[in-house]
Amino acid sequence: GQQLNQSPQSMFIQEGEDVSMNCTSSSIFNTWLWYKQDPGEGPVLLIALYKAGELTSNGRLTAQFGTTRKDSFLNISASIPSDVGIYFCAGPHGSGNTGKLIFGQGTTLQVKP
Amino acid sequence: EAGVTQSPTHLIKTRGQQVTLRCSPISGHTSVYWYQQALGLGLQFLLWYDEGEERNRGNFPPRFSGRQFPNYSSELNVNALELEDSALYLCASSTGTSGPLTKNIQYFGAGTRLSVL
Repeated sequence: GQQLNQSPQSMFIQEGEDVSMNCTSSSIFNTWLWYKQDPGEGPVLLIALYKAGELTSNGRLTAQFGTTRKDSFLNISASIPSDVGIYFCAGPHGSGNTGKLIFGQGTTLQVKP
Repeated sequence: EAGVTQSPTHLIKTRGQQVTLRCSPISGHTSVYWYQQALGLGLQFLLWYDEGEERNRGNFPPRFSGRQFPNYSSELNVNALELEDSALYLCASSTGTSGPLTKNIQYFGAGTRLSVL
């Protein structure tokens, strides 16, 4: 079945550093979503991508839809302590509307002030 | 505008008991989705309801069930609780099943933390 593999699994960085994480799949996805989950909260949508090659920014966050449709990247510039959390990539399962999102395992980000 | 609201926030049950979790979608959203987030297992799709009907179901046993009410709120029921049902149960909502892709973005609530002892 469809799976999303995220890397790295975790990152421990210094405040002010840039962060890069990625998500890959053996299957094609037509939509890529990036969510962030804070402890004790539900995932919050950060960026949605709909076209291969698309590059979209949301403040210090930038995400790209890979040209092969099998990968996506999320970059965070000039990290701050509130960037701490788990970042998930997700995409819709199947070619039709199944309602089901497939999630990666998440990248846990820790920022040292 | 209020987001997706879930109740209760925390719940402790014992093996064999039954539990009902509740979800109110964002105003104007007609689709509700349920996910299970067990420790170390990521988010797993449970159920999708739209316009009162169950549209899709994940790979979970029949003791996981639910329903959607005319006001689009939803309940998730779990019977005969097992220890491995301990997890964060997340509800999400979206505007519908057709139209531009942007209308199917799922917005999540804060979840219900279920502990089965």
